[in-house]
Amino acid sequence: EVQLVESGGALVQPGGSLRLSCAASGFTFSHAWMSWVRQAPGKGLEWLGRIKSRIDGGTTDHAAPVKGRFTFSRDDSKNTLYLQMNSLKTEDTAVYYCYYYYDSSGRYHCDYWGQGTLVTV
Amino acid sequence: QAVVTQEPSLTVSPGGTVTLTCGSSTGPVTSDHWPYWFQQKPGQAPRTLIYDTINKHSWTPARFSGSLLGGKAALTLSGAQPEDEADYYCLLSYSGAGIFGTGTKVTVL
Repeated sequence: EVQLVESGGALVQPGGSLRLSCAASGFTFSHAWMSWVRQAPGKGLEWLGRIKSRIDGGTTDHAAPVKGRFTFSRDDSKNTLYLQMNSLKTEDTAVYYCYYYYDSSGRYHCDYWGQGTLVTV
Repeated sequence: QAVVTQEPSLTVSPGGTVTLTCGSSTGPVTSDHWPYWFQQKPGQAPRTLIYDTINKHSWTPARFSGSLLGGKAALTLSGAQPEDEADYYCLLSYSGAGIFGTGTKVTVL
């Protein structure tokens, strides 16, 4: 069974930093293209960025509003995705989701989401 | 950054048909934007209905279909069911960077 479990959400002061983790299981994480998506209370979805699998270059793409502040990384040996957030602002308050949407080995699309973790700034 | 626009709300009768659209401030939406459509119900994580304009997942009900229509991405719901009442979001890709649409609240009434 595919599982994505986010952790690291917390109450943080403006200007502070936080690192979120997304622990993956039930699939070959090293083949996965992963994204981070957030949702502020009562608001719509916001795409933050993605990281490709290592075999596809492991490259990242960022949303313009978070470029330079947020960094995406992965540790395939730990089956974990990370979101490093710096210089946090009150408008970063949201539930943060990790999302597995593509397997680069089998070249197929999928759709698995974590339960979300709340960041309050 | 581009702005992706959806209808704020739409109402459809049970068994009826409704089309949601997704437009881009930069110009016509094409297949090169790799449009996705998501459904989100209250208190739940989103779920992908359509990817790459027209493709469905195995769990996507047949009554949902994706297309390009008049320079926009479109999601058509044919034969609406009460359980289709939800928020719907499109996602467009701009050279690898994604932008969600503003979202459409669909009411089945």
